[in-house]
Amino acid sequence: RKEVEQDPGPFNVPEGATVAFNCTYSNSASQSFFWYRQDCRKEPKLLMSVYSSGNEDGRFTAQLNRASQYISLLIRDSKLSDSATYLCVVYHSSYKLIFGSGTRLLVRP
Amino acid sequence: EAGVTQFPSHSVIEKGQTVTLRCDPISGHDNLYWYRRVMGKEIKFLLHFVKESKQDESGMPNNRFLAERTGGTYSTLKVQPAELEDSGVYFCASSFGLAGGTDTQYFGPGTRLTVL
Repeated sequence: RKEVEQDPGPFNVPEGATVAFNCTYSNSASQSFFWYRQDCRKEPKLLMSVYSSGNEDGRFTAQLNRASQYISLLIRDSKLSDSATYLCVVYHSSYKLIFGSGTRLLVRP
Repeated sequence: EAGVTQFPSHSVIEKGQTVTLRCDPISGHDNLYWYRRVMGKEIKFLLHFVKESKQDESGMPNNRFLAERTGGTYSTLKVQPAELEDSGVYFCASSFGLAGGTDTQYFGPGTRLTVL
């Protein structure tokens, strides 16, 4: 079983739609959680950190449920430029990042 | 400020040959990481340097892979001899090394390695 599980998608949505991605992780000792964004043939870039209290950055909202070991990302008012692969990433105490395989989002006009 | 740079961007070699990948971290970042994504799989950790010391090399696949960071600046990852299953994208990342999971790792553009 993978340490971080994500639905690979693709999620194909029209501009302006709201879309949500989910992720589960298996190691209850995980300390920190992130969403990274990766464009085609580019490097992963940090989108946002995920906190237990939930956090929002513009059109993006991330939530963490430690009891269920579940992380989510909500994107409101989708833009064409949001099309990318979204990577759920978990951090252990050893500095290494554990990546999910990514969820692909396609926003159509 | 310059980001993490990697060289080459692409490398195509034959099975049995040697390839050396280079990573230049962001200036001032003591922590340097190597990750790899093979086709159809998730990005996986290979190893972690703090300055010139290897802190964690638990992700290195086997002894055909050798990473160095002499002087604590740039790092090299050598694959010798290369095998077909080594094909993939090799990412380097760097960070300040803040404790408690607040450390942001910044990734380079990757080196796409193809072994024929």
